[in-house]
Order: sequence, then structure tokens, then C-alpha cells
Amino acid sequence: RKEVEQDPGPFNVPEGATVAFNCTYSNSASQSFFWYRQDCRKEPKLLMSVYSSGNEDGRFTAQLNRASQYISLLIRDSKLSDSATYLCVCRSGGYNKLIFGAGTRLAVHP
Amino acid sequence: EAGVTQFPSHSVIEKGQTVTLRCDPISGHDNLYWYRRVMGKEIKFLLHFVKESKQDESGMPNNRFLAERTGGTYSTLKVQPAELEDSGVYFCASSQDFGSAYEQYFGPGTRLTVT
Repeated sequence: RKEVEQDPGPFNVPEGATVAFNCTYSNSASQSFFWYRQDCRKEPKLLMSVYSSGNEDGRFTAQLNRASQYISLLIRDSKLSDSATYLCVCRSGGYNKLIFGAGTRLAVHP
Repeated sequence: EAGVTQFPSHSVIEKGQTVTLRCDPISGHDNLYWYRRVMGKEIKFLLHFVKESKQDESGMPNNRFLAERTGGTYSTLKVQPAELEDSGVYFCASSQDFGSAYEQYFGPGTRLTVT
């Protein structure tokens, strides 16, 4: 079983749509959580950290449910430029390595 | 400020040959990480340097892989001899310190193809 599981997609949505991605992690010792964005043939870039209280950054909202070991990302008012692969990432306490999900692909069309 | 740089951007080698990948972290970043993504799989951690010391090398797949960071600046990852399953994208990342408060910045990656 993978440590971080994501629906690979693709999610094909029109501009302006709201789209939600989910992710589950298996290691209960995971302490930090992130969403990274990766454009085609580029490096991953940090989109946002995820906190238990939930956090928002403009059109993006991230949520963490530690009891269910579940992480989500909501994108409102999708833009063409949001088209990318979104990677769910965990970090275990005491270690600094990042554990990546395989990513969810988003395609926003006009 | 320059980001993480990696060289080469692409490498095509034959099975059994040796390849050395280089990573230059962001200036002042003591923490350097290697990750790789093989075809169709998720990005996986290989190892973590703090300055010149290996902090965690739990992700290194086997002894054909050797990572060094002499002097605590740039790092090299050597694969010798390369096998077909080593093909993939090798990413380097760096951070100022370790812990969740410190973002890991990724380089553009080296795309390795072993034929």
C-alpha cells in the first residue's frame, strides 16, 4: 500500500469551476502536510502547507483531518493557469524527507 | 537569488555505464536532498545531507548509488553501473534548515535515460 494515496484524475473542468482533490496517508506519525504543484516536465513547487484548522490562500483552501488521515484541496474559480498536477505530500516527525503521492492531474479548459 | 540548479538536464547512457549528476543548492542552504521519479511512479526520497554529512540515506535503492557533498556545497549523485530501472527524473532540493517551517526548494531535475 502506498504511503500517500491520491486519485490520479485527470479532472477536466471548465474555467470558473470549483474542484476538490482528496488524499489519504497511512503513516499516523506524519506531522506536516503540504500540497505541491508540478507543471509538465518541471519541478514540484510548494503551493501551500496544510493545517488541522484549515487554511486558505486566495482561491485555494486546504483541510486536514488527522483522525481520518485525510487531506483535501479545494480550488475555486478555476483558471486556465491552474492546469497542472497537484501532489499531496507528508513529512514524518523526526525525519525531514517528504513522502509524495503520485499526483492528481487537473486540466482547466475554456 | 539563484535557485537550485542541476546538471545535466538530460543524460542518455547505456546499461552498465556510469553517470554523475550534480546539484548546486541555493546559497546558504545547509540541507540538500535527492529525490527521484521513475516512470509512472511517485517522487521518492533518496537521501538528505546536512552540510557534508549524510543525515538520512534510507531511500538509496542499492550500492550502485553513491552521493557525496564534499565541503558542504554542491552534491553529486553517481550511478555505477547504471541499470534500465534507474531511468527517471532525479530531483535535488535544498532548504535553509530542516523542519516543516523550512520549505524545500526543488531544482529542475535531471532526466536520466538508460538504454
